Amino acid sequence: GESVGLHLPTLSVQEGDNSIINCAYSNSASDYFIWYKQESGKGPQFIIDIRSNMDKRQGQRVTVLLNKTVKHLSLQIAATQPGDSAVYFCAETRRGYQKVTFGIGTKLQVIP
Amino acid sequence: DGGITQSPKYLFRKEGQNVTLSCEQNLNHDAMYWYRQDPGQGLRLIYYSQIVNDFQKGDIAEGYSVSREKKESFPLTVTSAQKNPTAFYLCASSPLQTTNTEAFFGQGTRLTVV
Repeated sequence: GESVGLHLPTLSVQEGDNSIINCAYSNSASDYFIWYKQESGKGPQFIIDIRSNMDKRQGQRVTVLLNKTVKHLSLQIAATQPGDSAVYFCAETRRGYQKVTFGIGTKLQVIP
Repeated sequence: DGGITQSPKYLFRKEGQNVTLSCEQNLNHDAMYWYRQDPGQGLRLIYYSQIVNDFQKGDIAEGYSVSREKKESFPLTVTSAQKNPTAFYLCASSPLQTTNTEAFFGQGTRLTVV
């Protein structure tokens, strides 16, 4: 919703530049990590996921990096566009689990 | 078009009243979920259901109730026992697979207690 973006960490990026959104997770037992995008007034939308046995996974204009040593996940968006402006959530879950734990989100603002 | 539909988009409730939020999906997904979203916080799981006539409490189930009489429908009732019900509520569904890595979300219902 519109108020979801309040009080969130915010990243401002110039249109055309690359964006890097970071996320720290806490559960060493997590096997899967997921990135969601939430535009204002809408529900989250799946972007990409990565398994714990991988360090990197690429999608269309997005790359997710996983560093299990420091429990860190990042989402890189190439050539950021105005339509990328949204709140981005990282999430984690375990194999065999239906429950997913979401982070607080990062608000990405693209400056035209 | 396949998707997940929440209604209404905006809902106002007086203190002390129960209110039910609707969630319907035509994706043939077995699993359905309710999340609550507050400013500055991530999504928190209220309830989830993996099969008809069965559901489990999430992390913040107190003051909420659900039913799963049909595969397509997973309504959420916010009862008067919920102390701080004003929030954005999101319903989601996913195929019942080994691990839930991709959930499909509805557009959300914004509940305001007046």
